[in-house]
Amino acid sequence: EAGVAQSPRYKIIEKRQSVAFWCNPISGHATLYWYQQILGQGPKLLIQFQNNGVVDDSQLPKDRFSAERLKGVDSTLKIQPAKLEDSAVYLCASSLSGYGYTFGSGTRLTVV
Amino acid sequence: ELKVEQNPLFLSMQEGKNYTIYCNYSTTSDRLYWYRQDPGKSLESLFVLLSNGAVKQEGRLMASLDTKARLSTLHITAAVHDLSATYFCAVVDTDKLIFGTGTRLQVFP
Repeated sequence: EAGVAQSPRYKIIEKRQSVAFWCNPISGHATLYWYQQILGQGPKLLIQFQNNGVVDDSQLPKDRFSAERLKGVDSTLKIQPAKLEDSAVYLCASSLSGYGYTFGSGTRLTVV
Repeated sequence: ELKVEQNPLFLSMQEGKNYTIYCNYSTTSDRLYWYRQDPGKSLESLFVLLSNGAVKQEGRLMASLDTKARLSTLHITAAVHDLSATYFCAVVDTDKLIFGTGTRLQVFP
């Protein structure tokens, strides 16, 4: 079974620039999550999708972050404009009916 | 809002010693996960605990769950250097994982 694919692995941008991350979940997994992990902390949920609908985006800074999940499969997370405090690893995860969460390798974002 | 706390945050232990990591959470949940994370890597699932009194063991690691006390423990027996990593507990809240702060474990000779 293929895992959760994320790209790019690393990204360095200047503050106020925009950036986008891509995630392809495990085939058949209806639920997709984006987490932000700041160095030295536990992952924090940004947004949860069920198929292509948003279930929970209460922790997403909507003034600069946006996410979509087209056709209930792939998802993109965008930051515009980026701030220094957005430097983190962005993890994508998927699950089947809320059991068996599988995480991707993550995208490490550095904002300078 | 569900909150998850782990202690200790950092653990330095000698090879061969035993120790326990604690995970407390604030509201009822029916599922708890333990993950391992190596530096620069993603999260590796270790255990899922589904019911009160559940105990799971894999090698030198044993996890348990007390849903009444809202407490899970990860016990390390006779630590070896390969166990050095950061360990997270995560509690399920309406199908999403809420993570603890993590325990960074360092095992030295």
